Amino acid sequence: QVTLKESGPGILQPSQTLSLTCSFSGFSLSTSGICVSWIRQPSGKGLEWLATICWEDSKGYNPSLKNRLTISKDTSNNQAFLKITSVDTADTAIYYCARFYTGRGFDYWGQGVMVTVSS
Amino acid sequence: DVVLTQTPPTLLATIGQSVSISCRSSQSLLHSNGNTYLNWLLQRTGQSPQPLIYLVSKLESGVPNRFSGSGSGTDFTLKISGVEAEDLGVYYCMQFTHYPLTFGSGTKLEIK
Repeated sequence: QVTLKESGPGILQPSQTLSLTCSFSGFSLSTSGICVSWIRQPSGKGLEWLATICWEDSKGYNPSLKNRLTISKDTSNNQAFLKITSVDTADTAIYYCARFYTGRGFDYWGQGVMVTVSS
Repeated sequence: DVVLTQTPPTLLATIGQSVSISCRSSQSLLHSNGNTYLNWLLQRTGQSPQPLIYLVSKLESGVPNRFSGSGSGTDFTLKISGVEAEDLGVYYCMQFTHYPLTFGSGTKLEIK
């Protein structure tokens, strides 16, 4: 059974660094073809892909935020991470992690974690 | 970036009615390897998105066969043949033929 769960700080101040953790089970990020992605959704708005990391450690970032994003993984502990630097109120959103199967797309999503940026 | 335009933005349907959602891409989604990486997802209120269809027309496991996907190039359609109450929510198309991966703006299905 595949599950993913996001965790984060809940609230942080502008200019701080947001650190998110995706803890998953039921699959390994060392399996060929498997990736984990981060996607966010501001309240009442649509979905925005942020970043992806794959089994062979390749990484992809949304160019609109690339300089602010860092994705990484801990294969042994079944976790993936995302850091976003210099946050501002526009980064307030629900952040999801999802399993991405190469050639097929997102097949499992986490429940999401709400992050609020406020002074 | 590839822009996916979904129409209509809102769809009002009665139970049992058949409905279609359009997703038009600003570029062809046919990859050089012959695949078309266009998927559909459903997000029910207060829930995370769930996959419905991948590679234009392939149903995800557990998805009822009243859902079907079709299209090619830049024009794609999700059809629900006989809407049920559990189908309400926001439908998104998504492409990953081109970098970066992008989502459509969504179509909200409401039940009369």
